[in-house]
Amino acid sequence: NAGVMQNPRHLVRRRGQEARLRCSPMKGHSHVYWYRQLPEEGLKFMVYLQKENIIDESGMPKERFSAEFPKEGPSILRIQQVVRGDSAAYFCASSPPIGDEQFFGPGTRLTVL
Amino acid sequence: GNSVTQMEGPVTLSEEAFLTINCTYTATGYPSLFWYVQYPGEGLQLLLKATKADDKGSNKGFEATYRKETTSFHLEKGSVQVSDSAVYFCALPYQTGANNLFFGTGTRLTVIP
Repeated sequence: NAGVMQNPRHLVRRRGQEARLRCSPMKGHSHVYWYRQLPEEGLKFMVYLQKENIIDESGMPKERFSAEFPKEGPSILRIQQVVRGDSAAYFCASSPPIGDEQFFGPGTRLTVL
Repeated sequence: GNSVTQMEGPVTLSEEAFLTINCTYTATGYPSLFWYVQYPGEGLQLLLKATKADDKGSNKGFEATYRKETTSFHLEKGSVQVSDSAVYFCALPYQTGANNLFFGTGTRLTVIP
């Protein structure tokens, strides 16, 4: 059973470009979470999604950031018009419909030049 | 919402030394408590968890006891190894019954031979 997959592992963007981060949850998991980790800091919750629904986006910046988890395909975290402050590691986690354990992917390290 | 306060690092120990990393929590009710570990360049892995007061979670020689009286969930290991060098995060749900997690700031452990 493959774990949570994230791609790309590393992403470099120039200021003003768009960044798209993908997350494929573990098989059988219908809940996806996105977290951001700034250098030398802990993880901060961004958004919680179930298939085709955003359940909690209280941690998402109000502008430029969006997330989706379509019926088919991976979850996407999209950052428009990136700025240097967006440079961070973005982690995706998934969990089954029942249970509180989250399984994390290896992360995408975004660098904005 | 719920939160944790984690002992600041970094922590440097010699091999076979005893490890304690402190974590205290503030919560409504009695949510599950977690310790996650992040090895260099990787995502987070669940190390252990406890779901109710007085529960002891254990894994790979690490232990933590859910203590209601002191609102603590300290991580301990009797004899650390070089391979335990990593960053350790204490976590709990933002709200009891919620799925998204609040993470502590992390404690970097370095074990020297």
